[in-house]
Amino acid sequence: QQQVKQSPQSLIVQKGGISIINCAYENTAFDYFPWYQQFPGKGPALLIAIRPDVSEKKEGRFTISFNKSAKQFSLHIMDSQPGDSATYFCAAWANFGNEKLTFGTGTRLTIIP
Amino acid sequence: DAGITQSPRHKVTETGTPVTLRCHQTENHRYMYWYRQDPGHGLRLIHYSYGVKDTDKGEVSDGYSVSRSKTEDFLLTLESATSSQTSVYFCAISGARSGRAHEQYFGPGTRLTVT
Repeated sequence: QQQVKQSPQSLIVQKGGISIINCAYENTAFDYFPWYQQFPGKGPALLIAIRPDVSEKKEGRFTISFNKSAKQFSLHIMDSQPGDSATYFCAAWANFGNEKLTFGTGTRLTIIP
Repeated sequence: DAGITQSPRHKVTETGTPVTLRCHQTENHRYMYWYRQDPGHGLRLIHYSYGVKDTDKGEVSDGYSVSRSKTEDFLLTLESATSSQTSVYFCAISGARSGRAHEQYFGPGTRLTVT
């Protein structure tokens, strides 16, 4: 049972464009939503995260948009660069006692010149 | 650098043999996790620990066991490796920097091939 659905599976964006990756969740108990970035041969690295009490969080070129009523959140990468080419995972955390993150299946992002 | 290492980084083993992977951390994190990463499945939790000798199962725990006898080490054991356990295994840690378990930091991974 997949509790966090991520799309698309792969994405190709031109340099300078906006990359958008979407995630949807079902469990309304989730209250923390991080995004991880993973380069080939490396472990995932925490990129940016949001709590459901805000609708947007921005860090540099990376923005999370959060829609609580629709149970959806998305990662936007502005002015996408070849160095942003990586696999991105969304995740969700529920603070109800078991300390576990639930991950989406990942999006392979390729930025072309 | 979250002060987390994994060993070995690569291993090839035969079906039916026992395998132990080690995760070592240097920052006194309370929580430690083992995940496996497979194409199309993302990261799936195998087992996790919320303190020395305190462990619990994740969503794909069958065929795996863990032990944590001291804060800095979390061991993952495949008692009798099968080809379906060919995967990349990641250890993650959390809790030391903020006291919160949800900010997880990942190790570099172990690529395990079972032939």
